[in-house]
Amino acid sequence: GDSVTQTEGQVALSEEDFLTIHCNYSASGYPALFWYVQYPGEGPQFLFRASRDKEKGSSRGFEATYNKEATSFHLQKASVQESDSAVYYCALSDLDSNYQLIWGSGTKLIIKP
Amino acid sequence: AQTIHQWPVAEIKAVGSPLSLGCTIKGKSSPNLYWYWQATGGTLQQLFYSITVGQVESVVQLNLSASRPKDDQFILSTEKLLLSHSGFYLCAWSLRGRRDTQYFGPGTRLLVL
Repeated sequence: GDSVTQTEGQVALSEEDFLTIHCNYSASGYPALFWYVQYPGEGPQFLFRASRDKEKGSSRGFEATYNKEATSFHLQKASVQESDSAVYYCALSDLDSNYQLIWGSGTKLIIKP
Repeated sequence: AQTIHQWPVAEIKAVGSPLSLGCTIKGKSSPNLYWYWQATGGTLQQLFYSITVGQVESVVQLNLSASRPKDDQFILSTEKLLLSHSGFYLCAWSLRGRRDTQYFGPGTRLLVL
């Protein structure tokens, strides 16, 4: 079945560092790919999505590019701030997934002031 | 603009007691609705989804049930709580398509003792 892999359970950076959180997926066809952010005690917030190869999604300074060949959708930000501290989830939705989002395990981003 | 409201905000319940959690969506006609469960520090697990009033599909039951009595309302319930039911319950909505973005509510924190 479809799956999403986030290899980093936790990333610790300093303010103004460059961020990459890795997301790889396994799915047949062309799934839609998503990034969500979850702050403590809140529901996940939708960041952006991409639905086709080489499409770039972006929001709030974060971006990711759909790479079908590499089956990846890595999240990047050029300069992180303390307010970016949160858990980031990659997810996919496929036409065969019957209204399900398949979620990665999440990556906790810690920004040291 | 769409708003999603969940109630209660938090609950402390005894093992074996009944539970009812609610979710209301305003500003969107006939949305798809979803229930998720999240263990503390864990990823999101989809429990149920509904694409129309009176129709609910189970993804993972966890000894819970769901109902959609109105177009804008989704209820999660059980007659007998288990310790394993503790966690964060999230309601979400999306447009009608199978790959549409899901938007989450603020969640209900449940502690079963």
